[in-house]
Amino acid sequence: SQKIEQNSEALNIQEGKTATLTCNYTNYSPAYLQWYRQDPGRGPVFLLLIRENEKEKRKERLKVTFDTTLKQSLFHITASQPADSATYLCAPNSGYSTLTFGKGTMLLVSP
Amino acid sequence: NAGVTQTPKFQVLKTGQSMTLQCAQDMNHEYMSWYRQDPGMGLRLIHYSVGAGITDQGEVPNGYNVSRSTTEDFPLRLLSAAPSQTSVYFCASSSDRGGTGYGYTFGSGTRLTVV
Repeated sequence: SQKIEQNSEALNIQEGKTATLTCNYTNYSPAYLQWYRQDPGRGPVFLLLIRENEKEKRKERLKVTFDTTLKQSLFHITASQPADSATYLCAPNSGYSTLTFGKGTMLLVSP
Repeated sequence: NAGVTQTPKFQVLKTGQSMTLQCAQDMNHEYMSWYRQDPGMGLRLIHYSVGAGITDQGEVPNGYNVSRSTTEDFPLRLLSAAPSQTSVYFCASSSDRGGTGYGYTFGSGTRLTVV
């Protein structure tokens, strides 16, 4: 069955460092992969979508990579700030089906 | 634009009661869906709709009903509430099922407790 794996342990980093979150998937052949941010008590917010032929995508301090051979996406936040503290969810998708989300990884950025 | 609006934000029900969670969007999105989020379980799809008059079941549909009479509204009905339905419920909308345009837009959620 299809499976999406994100590190369940929180990632603790210091302000100014680069945070790297991992999303691995199995039994999928996604054409797209999306990343969302979720703050406590709020709904997820769409951040980035990367297509299978893009390999890497950037938006301000965010960078996402997509390796279809490794079946993995990496999500980087450079120059991290305490305001980046949140849970980050990934969602690989064919583009034709409803989104299934990973359980998310909590990021904690300390001053 | 308001985006996706969910009401109520909080609700406490007694076992066996029924209620409707409201969801409305003003972005003219064809696709709408309901998820529930539980600790350790992540977001799980309950029901979804690809347009007015068309609905389908997701991963965990039992105990819930939906209908889609307009593009804007997609209410979720709990027929006879059970403690297992205690959860946070999110409504989401998108221009397409896979969110390949600008992703899914989520509401702020309804926190439901069934006692």
